[in-house]
This record gives sequence, structure tokens and C-alpha cells, in this order.
Amino acid sequence: GNSVTQMEGPVTLSEEAFLTINCTYTATGYPSLFWYVQYPGEGLQLLLKATKADDKGSNKGFEATYRKETTSFHLEKGSVQVSDSAVYFCALDRDDKIIFGKGTRLHILP
Amino acid sequence: SAVISQKPSRDICQRGTSLTIQCQVDSQVTMMFWYRQQPGQSLTLIATANQGSEATYESGFVIDKFPISRPNLTFSTLTVSNMSPEDSSIYLCSVDNRGVTEAFFGQGTRLTVV
Repeated sequence: GNSVTQMEGPVTLSEEAFLTINCTYTATGYPSLFWYVQYPGEGLQLLLKATKADDKGSNKGFEATYRKETTSFHLEKGSVQVSDSAVYFCALDRDDKIIFGKGTRLHILP
Repeated sequence: SAVISQKPSRDICQRGTSLTIQCQVDSQVTMMFWYRQQPGQSLTLIATANQGSEATYESGFVIDKFPISRPNLTFSTLTVSNMSPEDSSIYLCSVDNRGVTEAFFGQGTRLTVV
């Protein structure tokens, strides 16, 4: 079946550190892939997306590339800020349903 | 994009009672969904709210426990019936338009059952 696996949290980094949150997926065909972010006390927001192989989604300094050969969609940011502290969810869209990973809580220390 | 208003934002309820959560969208949308996010967990799809017909429930969720209405293309309700402490979660409404590869979420309803 379709599923998303992302790295366990929490992840704690210092400000300006490099961030990688790993995400791999299992799906039939070619799903669209997403990263959603949930800031403290807020609802989910789409951070970035990619709809086909080799697409790179980017937003707010975050990037993720759709790698079909490794079935991965890892989230990266070159220099994190305290304001990036949130829970990040990797997700895929298949058959009009979105399937989420378990989420990774990110803490950025000043 | 779509703006989603979800009410109430939070509630504390007695076990055995029911709570109805409302989801209002500022534009007509094809698909509306209800998710549950248990403490420290990911989002789990409860059901797809179908306009003018019965909702489509995912495995492990039943209509008697989570009745859903969708009277038109901009509004849906989810009722959590006969609540127990295990129902304490965040419930989120989500919308999606066919052909648009992006889903939008409401702010969620944080439910605590005591």
C-alpha cells in the first residue's frame, strides 16, 4: 500500500545549522509529494511540493527533490532560524487522498 | 488557495456526550476531508465528505461514531459521538480541488474529553 516514512524526532539544531529531514515513500505509480509544516498552535500549511520525478520544490529557503530512483523526498535548508521550529510532515497524494508521515519535530536553539 | 474556517477551535467535553465540528470554506471545492491527529501522532484520514451523499470512511472509522454531513460544496460537519478520553485529539478539516495538487487545512479543533 501507500505509505510515508520520515525520520524520528525531535531534531535539535543551533541557529544557522544545516538541516536535513529524511523522507521515503512507498506508492504505486507516481504520486505527488509534499512537505507540510505545523507551527506551534497553528494548523498545517503547505511548505513545498513536487509533482513528478526530478522536480525540486522550494519555499522559505527549504528545498526537496523528488527522487524516483530512491523513492525519497528529503527536506533540506542551508541555514535554519529559530522561527523554523515546528513539526514537519512529509506526505504523498494518491487517489485523491493525502497520506502523511508521522511528523518530525524541529527545535532550533538561538 | 482556499480559506477554511473551523469551529470550535477547542473544547473540553464530558465523556458520553457528542461534539459537532463545523468547517466552512470561502469557495466551492470538490473534495472535503476530515483528519484526526492524536497527541504526538501523524494525521489519520477519517473520511471523505461527499456532497449530497454519505461520507466514505477509512478503515477503523464508522458512521455511528463519526457522522459527517456535507450539504453543499462549501460546508461540512463532523460529529464525534459518545465521546471517551481516547477521542481526545485534534480534528482537522481539509479541502482539495480535483486537478489542483494541493490540500488546504483548517486550524483544527483541539478536543479534550474528560
